Amino acid sequence: AQKVTQAQTEISVVEKEDVTLDCVYETRDTTYYLFWYKQPPSGELVFLIRRNSFDEQNEISGRYSWNFQKSTSSFNFTITASQVVDSAVYFCAGLDSNYQLIWGAGTKLIIKP
Amino acid sequence: NAGVTQTPKFQVLKTGQSMTLQCAQDMNHEYMSWYRQDPGMGLRLIHYSVGAGITDQGEVPNGYNVSRSTTEDFPLRLLSAAPSQTSVYFCASSYSASGNTIYFGEGSWLTVV
Repeated sequence: AQKVTQAQTEISVVEKEDVTLDCVYETRDTTYYLFWYKQPPSGELVFLIRRNSFDEQNEISGRYSWNFQKSTSSFNFTITASQVVDSAVYFCAGLDSNYQLIWGAGTKLIIKP
Repeated sequence: NAGVTQTPKFQVLKTGQSMTLQCAQDMNHEYMSWYRQDPGMGLRLIHYSVGAGITDQGEVPNGYNVSRSTTEDFPLRLLSAAPSQTSVYFCASSYSASGNTIYFGEGSWLTVV
């Protein structure tokens, strides 16, 4: 069965520090998609990125970057120069070949001013 | 552009009552799904649909029914509410099941007393 592990339950850093959120996706599928979502205190789910398992190129979007390594099944998310507005719960999720989106437990990120 | 609309946003039920959470999307998406999110956990898939007239069970389907009579609507029915169904419910849709961006509604907070 598929499993998404976000080992970091909570991370607290001071503003402007860089922070990396870890995600490991275990699956027997060779083709899958990985996602990151942000859930701010208001509760909505904000889409951040979708990555196909065949694409191992790193991706950068402003202060956000993602590193996908298929060999280790890791899809890590880095925020550079963190800001207070980045405080949220971040979820990693994997979409398997049965169209089921499996979610990690989330990492609560606290950015202190 | 409304996106994914869920109603109601908040609901309190008594044990044994039934109710329907409504979900509608205006993006002509084929794939729709319902998730529940319990405190400190990621989302878990309840039911999903890959198109009108087609539904299937997810990870935690017991106590819930769905139907998909139109592309736009995907209601979730609680047959006989139990306190264990106290949760936040999210409806989601995407163009297809194969990894397109998944859009979420704002969530429905359900409390069963």
